[in-house]
Amino acid sequence: EVQLVQSASVVKNPGTTVKISCKVSGSAFTAYYLHWVQQAPGKGLQWVGLVDPEDGQRMYAENFQGRVTITADTSSDTAYMELSSLGSEDTAVYFCATALSVRSFRYFRHWGQGTLVTVSS
Amino acid sequence: IQLTQSPSFLSTSVGDRVTITCRASQGIGSYLAWYQQKPGKAPRLLIYDASTLQSGVPSRFSGSGSGTEFTLTITSLQPEDLATYYCQQLNSYSISFGQGTRLEI
Repeated sequence: EVQLVQSASVVKNPGTTVKISCKVSGSAFTAYYLHWVQQAPGKGLQWVGLVDPEDGQRMYAENFQGRVTITADTSSDTAYMELSSLGSEDTAVYFCATALSVRSFRYFRHWGQGTLVTVSS
Repeated sequence: IQLTQSPSFLSTSVGDRVTITCRASQGIGSYLAWYQQKPGKAPRLLIYDASTLQSGVPSRFSGSGSGTEFTLTITSLQPEDLATYYCQQLNSYSISFGQGTRLEI
């Protein structure tokens, strides 16, 4: 059974950086692209970016370009999302998700449980 | 690419046939998916490639369309279908979601 387990909720001060993790089990970590998705309270889904764990290639949504870094650690089958210069608008649940098919970025099949990031002073 | 779903909210009854529309601001071929999200949960993939039913998803869900106009249909709505539904385009690496359609039963 494929499982994506994310790190716990966190509270951060404005202007700081947050790094959250997503550990993948039950599937070959390097075979599937991994995505991050943001959901602000009561709002819809917004794609943040992706990483190809096989070669580390990353793509980011324009809205997050310059503030987000997504990485993959193949030694621990864990992906990370780091978001800097946090503002109140970054308060949201962040989900990780793996793609549907091997070596394709398309469609999000397996999802983590979500990590709530609260930005507050 | 902008995706516009309609309606944004739908009041329905058990047994109803429900149709949700998703329009893309430019052509995306068939690179469209539909997700279901229940409160406090992660989204669930229902349909991909516009019309392919994901394994394990009940057959009352179906998708159609290509280019810029797509539909998700739920025949004979069930109480467990209470959720918000999102379309998603993956024509390129610039992935986007529709704003969501909330179903109330």
